[in-house]
Amino acid sequence: GAVVSQHPSRVICKSGTSVKIECRSLDFQATTMFWYRQFPKQSLMLMATSNEGSKATYEQGVEKDKFLINHASLTLSTLTVTSAHPEDSSFYICSPLLLRGRYNEQFFGPGTRLTVL
Amino acid sequence: AQKITQTQPGMFVQEKEAVTLDCTYDTSDPSYGLFWYKQPSSGEMIFLIYQGSYDQQNATEGRYSLNFQKARKSANLVISASQLGDSAMYFCAMREDNAGNMLTFGGGTRLMVKP
Repeated sequence: GAVVSQHPSRVICKSGTSVKIECRSLDFQATTMFWYRQFPKQSLMLMATSNEGSKATYEQGVEKDKFLINHASLTLSTLTVTSAHPEDSSFYICSPLLLRGRYNEQFFGPGTRLTVL
Repeated sequence: AQKITQTQPGMFVQEKEAVTLDCTYDTSDPSYGLFWYKQPSSGEMIFLIYQGSYDQQNATEGRYSLNFQKARKSANLVISASQLGDSAMYFCAMREDNAGNMLTFGGGTRLMVKP
């Protein structure tokens, strides 16, 4: 299977600071990247979809100025949580899409656990 | 309306027994795919099994099988011979081919395997 890395795996920051999360597809190129957020004991909720070289499309209720997504290359996407607050504490998971033609496959990074104090 | 519904927030099963995790879905797209993922406490999402809407046979992968009832819009996961390592959260997900390739997840079921 494809390998996806996320860094950092865990981060604790003070309220008001910004945090950048990197997601890399190590052995394939992903034109599309999905970013999910998962609160404790809840399901994964899609935050945004980004295509390489284009602006991300955000889901309803997700502030695009707060969650900055950069998908500058086919193997790297970043999510920056700006001016983080305690309510942003969550598990963030990136999910690159591998296009195989008829059957596209979505992989998942190992996740980043963000705690905002 | 919820696109993916998992009605069992938590379930217990005795080790070595089989267990069925329920999943119902709602879509008007004739072409879609249904997925099951396992999420242990570490947080990683582990792909288990896939069923396409046009697949004639129920999918099977080792101890995992998918009971696909298209008319009822259900895609239940059956785990045979449960093991202690099966204790985890299980998510059912759907991808609608006319909706941009992304997965929509159900609320999840926490499975606990008793020794």
